[in-house]
Amino acid sequence: DAKTTQPNSMESNEEEPVHLPCNHSTISGTDYIHWYRQLPSQGPEYVIHGLTSNVNNRMASLAIAEDRKSSTLILHRATLRDAAVYYCILRPFGNEKLTFGTGTRLTIIP
Amino acid sequence: NAGVTQTPKFQVLKTGQSMTLQCAQDMNHEYMSWYRQDPGMGLRLIHYSVGAGITDQGEVPNGYNVSRSTTEDFPLRLLSAAPSQTSVYFCASSYGLVDGEQFFGPGTRLTVL
Repeated sequence: DAKTTQPNSMESNEEEPVHLPCNHSTISGTDYIHWYRQLPSQGPEYVIHGLTSNVNNRMASLAIAEDRKSSTLILHRATLRDAAVYYCILRPFGNEKLTFGTGTRLTIIP
Repeated sequence: NAGVTQTPKFQVLKTGQSMTLQCAQDMNHEYMSWYRQDPGMGLRLIHYSVGAGITDQGEVPNGYNVSRSTTEDFPLRLLSAAPSQTSVYFCASSYGLVDGEQFFGPGTRLTVL
């Protein structure tokens, strides 16, 4: 399975935009890029996913590089509730299995 | 909808005891799975099921059994608990679409003494 690389931790000020990077240089053409986050003492929750084009939803935006070897999760206006571990996951076409790395621990500074 | 529910929330076992972690979902999802999360680590897949009567092993299946007799329920059985199985266990479910999201339960924190 293709792997992802994320920074261990990041900090951001409240009400500022946050850009969480993910490198996936060995991504294959049929791998979807998924992002999940895990709030303290909770199960992971889905954030967003994409294949080739940039994606937006109510929680975040996903910017995917043209060569698909990297992507960036964008939280437009961070709140304290966004403090969590964010996981970037490659999910092969037709494969439900999620392979979690250690993710990026995002700290929001009031 | 209650979503994905797990019971119990906490459990302490002695080495060698057996128990069943319960997982249920009310979203008519075909795909269900069990993960474990050790401190400071990401989740690792234990077992999964693509529908009633069908199960398969994930990355770390040893010491665990599963069965799927109904669409709603996917229990995880620890046959003979070991301290190495101390972890937080998460159940997840999804429609099984090519790129759909998975829904996770709140977790069961298990300690084996």
